[in-house]
Amino acid sequence: AQSVTQLGSHVSVSEGALVLLRCNYSSSVPPYLFWYVQYPNQGLQLLLKYTSAATLVKGINGFEAEFKKSETSFHLTKPSAHMSDAAEYFCAVTGTGNQFYFGTGTSLTVIP
Amino acid sequence: NAGVTQTPKFQVLKTGQSMTLQCAQDMNHEYMSWYRQDPGMGLRLIHYSVGAGITDQGEVPNGYNVSRSTTEDFPLRLLSAAPSQTSVYFCASRILAGRNTEAFFGQGTRLTVV
Repeated sequence: AQSVTQLGSHVSVSEGALVLLRCNYSSSVPPYLFWYVQYPNQGLQLLLKYTSAATLVKGINGFEAEFKKSETSFHLTKPSAHMSDAAEYFCAVTGTGNQFYFGTGTSLTVIP
Repeated sequence: NAGVTQTPKFQVLKTGQSMTLQCAQDMNHEYMSWYRQDPGMGLRLIHYSVGAGITDQGEVPNGYNVSRSTTEDFPLRLLSAAPSQTSVYFCASRILAGRNTEAFFGQGTRLTVV
């Protein structure tokens, strides 16, 4: 079975501070992991994905994530938060039946 | 390239009414799916399809029907709307070339059942 857990439903950071959004996964097969971002009243947009080619994955808008098998984690980071980063972020893993399994999301607030 | 297009964007229904949420994609993706998004619950899979004529249930299928007559279209039907179906609905598609391919999402349909 596959699942993801996102720790912290709400995260607040100051503008310019480090962003760290946590995702832990459970998978019975080698995992493929994704981070999506959802801006208000919009659909989900892919930020980055891990497909086993490299453990450190760089995505759009300065975000990156590191796959750590020993910790079953795929945390999302950005060195310096911008106001435009305020959004909902979802971690997801694909299952054996082609479905995506999403976490419950983390709402990021950036304080000016 | 339009990607995944959902209509309508907003809808208010009365309890017991029926309606169809439309989803179309122009990327020739085999896999299409419907999710509902509720606060604190993330996205939950309603129904999915791996090709024309093939559909299957997801995590929360009750109260919803789907069909897939073409590769491009995957409508979601609510036969008798209930207030519990108030939610934001997303359609997504992806190519079936392995588990590492990403899903592309529509802009969503915000449904309120009163």
